[in-house]
Amino acid sequence: SQKIEQNSEALNIQEGKTATLTCNYTNYSPAYLQWYRQDPGRGPVFLLLIRENEKEKRKERLKVTFDTTLKQSLFHITASQPADSATYLCALPPRGGGYNKLIFGAGTRLAVHP
Amino acid sequence: EADIYQTPRYLVIGTGKKITLECSQTMGHDKMYWYQQDPGMELHLIHYSYGVNSTEKGDLSSESTVSRIRTEHFPLTLESARPSHTSQYLCASSESQGTSRKYEQYFGPGTRLTVT
Repeated sequence: SQKIEQNSEALNIQEGKTATLTCNYTNYSPAYLQWYRQDPGRGPVFLLLIRENEKEKRKERLKVTFDTTLKQSLFHITASQPADSATYLCALPPRGGGYNKLIFGAGTRLAVHP
Repeated sequence: EADIYQTPRYLVIGTGKKITLECSQTMGHDKMYWYQQDPGMELHLIHYSYGVNSTEKGDLSSESTVSRIRTEHFPLTLESARPSHTSQYLCASSESQGTSRKYEQYFGPGTRLTVT
């Protein structure tokens, strides 16, 4: 079955540094991959979508890469700020697609310290 | 900010009670979803709807039921709550096919359910 792996350990970094989070997936080749941000007690918020034919995508301080050979996506936040502290979720469509459904990883918690 | 609402935000209820979690969106989205999420864990899809009067169960088995009588409204019902139903329930919606943002999901704030 499909599996999404994100580092379960929290990532602690200093303000101003670049945070890099990893999403690995197995068993198929998704047409796209998404990243969401989730704050405690809140619903996820969409950040970026990258398609299988795109190697890299940027939005302000965010950058996402998609390596379909390694079956991996990297999510970067440059010049990180304490306000970036949250859990970041990777999401993929299920094998066979279907009504825009998504499968989510458990997320990686990012803590940015002043 | 997404225009998708969930009520109540928090609910503590005794075993055996019937509950309905409300979800409404004002964006006119065709597709709506219910997820269940435990702390530190993945979101699991329990129900989805691709339009009025069209609902299907998700990947995670759930004793809850849903209805979609109106585009904007997608309530979830538990006929008899049990402690095992204690969890966070998140509602989401997405745009129709043929739009550039059809794959993005917009989430409500969630309902934290505790069954005692």
